Amino acid sequence: QAVLTQPSSLSASPGASASLTCTLRSGITVGPYRIYWYQQKPGSPPQYLLRYKSDSDKQQGSGVPSRFSGSKDASANAGILLISGLQSEDEADYYCMIWHSSAYVFGTGTKVTVL
Amino acid sequence: QVQLVESGGGLVKPGGSLRLSCAASGFTFSDYYMSWIRQAPGKGLEWVSYISSSSNYTKYADSVKGRFSISRDNAKNSLYLQMNSLRAEDTALYYCARGSFDSWGQGTLVTVSS
Repeated sequence: QAVLTQPSSLSASPGASASLTCTLRSGITVGPYRIYWYQQKPGSPPQYLLRYKSDSDKQQGSGVPSRFSGSKDASANAGILLISGLQSEDEADYYCMIWHSSAYVFGTGTKVTVL
Repeated sequence: QVQLVESGGGLVKPGGSLRLSCAASGFTFSDYYMSWIRQAPGKGLEWVSYISSSSNYTKYADSVKGRFSISRDNAKNSLYLQMNSLRAEDTALYYCARGSFDSWGQGTLVTVSS
């Protein structure tokens, strides 16, 4: 079982909100972790979006619109990336990441399609 | 602005070696730990290796431990990845990235094939 599991795909309409989950493997609790999020468009390197641990420990990437935001769902043991007001330019792959057991671990990635 | 430019990729036979370089500019290179991350064709991201700002700490993914070696030259603002005993499964686009990956290069392609 992967350390970080993301849904393989998600589709939503322009203007809608999209909630991307990053679920931690059983036995690893989301609370202490900073969850990092990256966006990758075809043919381009990933770009840093934001990191979120708590409302008092969060960071927005430089130039990243505020419609991208992070949170956690402790009951689901997951980090969440919320994209509000979806735009066609948000169509991309999204990866979460944590620092775990002295190593960086990426999630499996979610492909977001804007219909 | 922050710029990271990778080089050194290419086609190599299984068992061969390759050395990747990453030239950094636009920031104080010696202040940051640096990493290599790879992405196999059509696949997700895989962290490969990490080096601290002063080179006194390195870490490797289990998949490359004992075969790859990361290093840096702060005087030259450069990061390196020495890759030995290459396997077909090492075929990927290799990125260098700053800190917790807030900046990435464009990547250099490594293909391992006979």
